[in-house]
Amino acid sequence: AQKITQTQPGMFVQEKEAVTLDCTYDTSDQSYGLFWYKQPSSGEMIFLIYQGSYDEQNATEGRYSLNFQKARKSANLVISASQLGDSAMYFCAMREAAYSGAGSYQLTFGKGTKLSVIP
Amino acid sequence: GAVVSQHPSRVICKSGTSVKIECRSLDFQATTMFWYRQFPKQSLMLMATSNEGSKATYEQGVEKDKFLINHASLTLSTLTVTSAHPEDSSFYICSARNGYTFGSGTRLTVV
Repeated sequence: AQKITQTQPGMFVQEKEAVTLDCTYDTSDQSYGLFWYKQPSSGEMIFLIYQGSYDEQNATEGRYSLNFQKARKSANLVISASQLGDSAMYFCAMREAAYSGAGSYQLTFGKGTKLSVIP
Repeated sequence: GAVVSQHPSRVICKSGTSVKIECRSLDFQATTMFWYRQFPKQSLMLMATSNEGSKATYEQGVEKDKFLINHASLTLSTLTVTSAHPEDSSFYICSARNGYTFGSGTRLTVV
């Protein structure tokens, strides 16, 4: 069974500073994918970044980067130059299969981290 | 691109009534949709997997007779909460494209 652990219920960061949100995972699969989502108070789930288990380089998307340490089974999200609009819940999730192809795979979510950006 | 439109965004209903939630893929075909439920201050939990043209598969502990799922076309999946009770009050959200696309969610309150 897959499991995602986010140990930080809440985090504070000063505006314009960088912040790291922790995520560790547990799986016996060799092929898997890791996602990070942002959920503002409106509830929508906004996809931020994806890392496949076979990807050798850390994923980056604008101000978001994923610090993937496979041996330690961690997939931390780094947000650089924090903005007030970054205040939200952040969820780490895992999908069976790094490359979904024609298949359909559900997600297993962590409990989330509430990020608050301080002006 | 790759948008899932979910309606309604918010609904309040009386105990004992039924509520239908729709998820429509606007610019792609979704053979599979996942339905998740999120209670306040908790994470998303998978309820069921909706497959076009076949029966949905439900996670353990989810009553299939209470949460009816229909996926009659490649662009529309619906979740009907039948005989809703206050404990069904929650945030319901659908997902497609294997994690890349979510609907905007439906906040259900049963009074």
